[in-house]
Amino acid sequence: QKEVEQNSGPLSVPEGAIASLNCTYSDRGSQSFFWYRQYSGKSPELIMSIYSNGDKEDGRFTAQLNKASQYVSLLIRDSQPSDSATYLCAVYHPTNFGNEKLTFGTGTRLTIIP
Amino acid sequence: GAVVSQHPSWVICKSGTSVKIECRSLDFQATTMFWYRQFPKQSLMLMATSNEGSKATYEQGVEKDKFLINHASLTLSTLTVTSAHPEDSSFYICSARDVILSAYEQYFGPGTRLTVT
Repeated sequence: QKEVEQNSGPLSVPEGAIASLNCTYSDRGSQSFFWYRQYSGKSPELIMSIYSNGDKEDGRFTAQLNKASQYVSLLIRDSQPSDSATYLCAVYHPTNFGNEKLTFGTGTRLTIIP
Repeated sequence: GAVVSQHPSWVICKSGTSVKIECRSLDFQATTMFWYRQFPKQSLMLMATSNEGSKATYEQGVEKDKFLINHASLTLSTLTVTSAHPEDSSFYICSARDVILSAYEQYFGPGTRLTVT
């Protein structure tokens, strides 16, 4: 079983609509959760972090966390063509050696259709 | 804030030669830096965790003697790919943590695209 799972997509959403991206994780000890955006050929860019259950909003982005269900999601409101990218879900969990480690999902490719 | 740079952005080298990639935190001190590798259409794979002043911790399956990591200061970590082969061609990305800004958030450099011919 993969530690962090995402639907690889592609997910196509009309411009102006809400894009919904989902992520599940297997380690109940996971403490922190992140969404990164990666444009083709570029490195990931941190767009949201969430640490406690519930919703966290930042501009057009809302992250949702449900630790009981081991589920994280990202909503993008008023989707723009510039939002077309691969979105990576990342989960932090401490290792036995005390080094933190981010585990990434395989990413969901999002395409916003003008 | 939290800007990370990498140099070079791309490099082409011949098989058997070594290549050094630098990762710098420009506006913060990074006690921990991370090195990732990403093959086309795949996700990021952590290669090693680098702590300033101590030996790097390598992930399972990553050859320590082939991928040499040095974290000599709080703003600089280097990755040297020794005796590079075509299968080492990949996108190498470093990231760094700013413990003052956040305990867990990692900020990525722009990446280095390595092509071994």
